[in-house]
Amino acid sequence: DAGITQSPRHKVTETGTPVTLRCHQTENHRYMYWYRQDPGHGLRLIHYSYGVKDTDKGEVSDGYSVSRSKTEDFLLTLESATSSQTSVYFCAITQGVGETQYFGPGTRLLVL
Amino acid sequence: GQQLNQSPQSMFIQEGEDVSMNCTSSSIFNTWLWYKQDPGEGPVLLIALYKAGELTSNGRLTAQFGITRKDSFLNISASIPSDVGIYFCAGLANAGNNRKLIWGLGTSLAVNP
Repeated sequence: DAGITQSPRHKVTETGTPVTLRCHQTENHRYMYWYRQDPGHGLRLIHYSYGVKDTDKGEVSDGYSVSRSKTEDFLLTLESATSSQTSVYFCAITQGVGETQYFGPGTRLLVL
Repeated sequence: GQQLNQSPQSMFIQEGEDVSMNCTSSSIFNTWLWYKQDPGEGPVLLIALYKAGELTSNGRLTAQFGITRKDSFLNISASIPSDVGIYFCAGLANAGNNRKLIWGLGTSLAVNP
């Protein structure tokens, strides 16, 4: 158990509304990641963080922003949700030897 | 974005059979990881490989880091119903702050009891 929680676990929202997903870790890990998972596309990296206030874009960052004001929390924001952002969102952290990533339980987001 | 070539895409086998799946890349990797994902949950790490040629086991699972550093294999022996799920490979090429994994699209495994 890597001590990762995600909230909310499920959310339904309307197109055009802002949405913020939270990833929380309890073990002081430096690296945190946000992925989305869609059928036929596997896991795609949205943004990642390598320290407080240090973030970088992944391969599908358009329409998303992130913030990391403290080590334990990594927030993913959809500024104006679109139906194409309906997906399952996973947070991950890097722990221990090498670059092994451990995942949270996921957030299912439906944008109507 | 870059992705690994993972095959087969899906498998349907009888309980007790052995399973093999693999990932290949045009790039060299320093780390290979194998994950399993059950429905409604996040991926869970099965095996991590850090050295070319390395062969590592975890119970009935065995994975190998290819000698060319461009491929990896996962074998499951004597499959059981709880092996059902999606198996993902992932590779890492760079170090430093660029710790982004490259992922395969997954192998969906179904086991007939």
